[in-house]
Amino acid sequence: DTEVTQTPKHLVMGMTNKKSLKCEQHMGHRAMYWYKQKAKKPPELMFVYSYEKLSINESVPSRFSPECPNSSLLNLHLHALQPEDSALYLCASSQAYSYEQYFGPGTRLTVT
Amino acid sequence: GENVEQHPSTLSVQEGDSAVIKCTYSDSASNYFPWYKQELGKRPQLIIDIRSNVGEKKDQRIAVTLNKTAKHFSLHITETQPEDSAVYFCAASGTGNQFYFGTGTSLTVIP
Repeated sequence: DTEVTQTPKHLVMGMTNKKSLKCEQHMGHRAMYWYKQKAKKPPELMFVYSYEKLSINESVPSRFSPECPNSSLLNLHLHALQPEDSALYLCASSQAYSYEQYFGPGTRLTVT
Repeated sequence: GENVEQHPSTLSVQEGDSAVIKCTYSDSASNYFPWYKQELGKRPQLIIDIRSNVGEKKDQRIAVTLNKTAKHFSLHITETQPEDSAVYFCAASGTGNQFYFGTGTSLTVIP
């Protein structure tokens, strides 16, 4: 299996909702990432997990809460989001430091 | 931290011509430089990468060159085809697992 999968593909949520994004990989990669991408912009790094421990948090608001239950799974819990949080949320994984990152298809999030 | 600049922001070429996209970086400790292609509504896909101990790498119609002294690297696409139309992002690896992406180049190949 050489793919990163993400669910759901699309998500519409109100500002008071709580939802979660899920990411899964079975390539044995030990680093996993969450990125946010706005239209026509590059992906912006949000969080990095290395060996299931949070290693980088790019000053992301607390309404985004990451979780890495095991080496294959990565979640992003969402709560009290704002309309400006609407974006494509991409998950990626890589073998180790400075190795190629493989992206999932993303979750298109709309906050109403 | 690392700063990656990418030029041009848009590029139109005739089918069969070559396309060149250039990136510069600021952190001399960066040692890994991938290029991603992103079609509309799809995920970024790694198309080629280069490490700092190599000056050039080629894969069929795609090549990447790296000049460590000048801190710049370039993507070259030869014999362009309409399916090469997409947004291309360069990136440089910072400390740890961090990538710093360029601002992207929207390439249009005109049939």
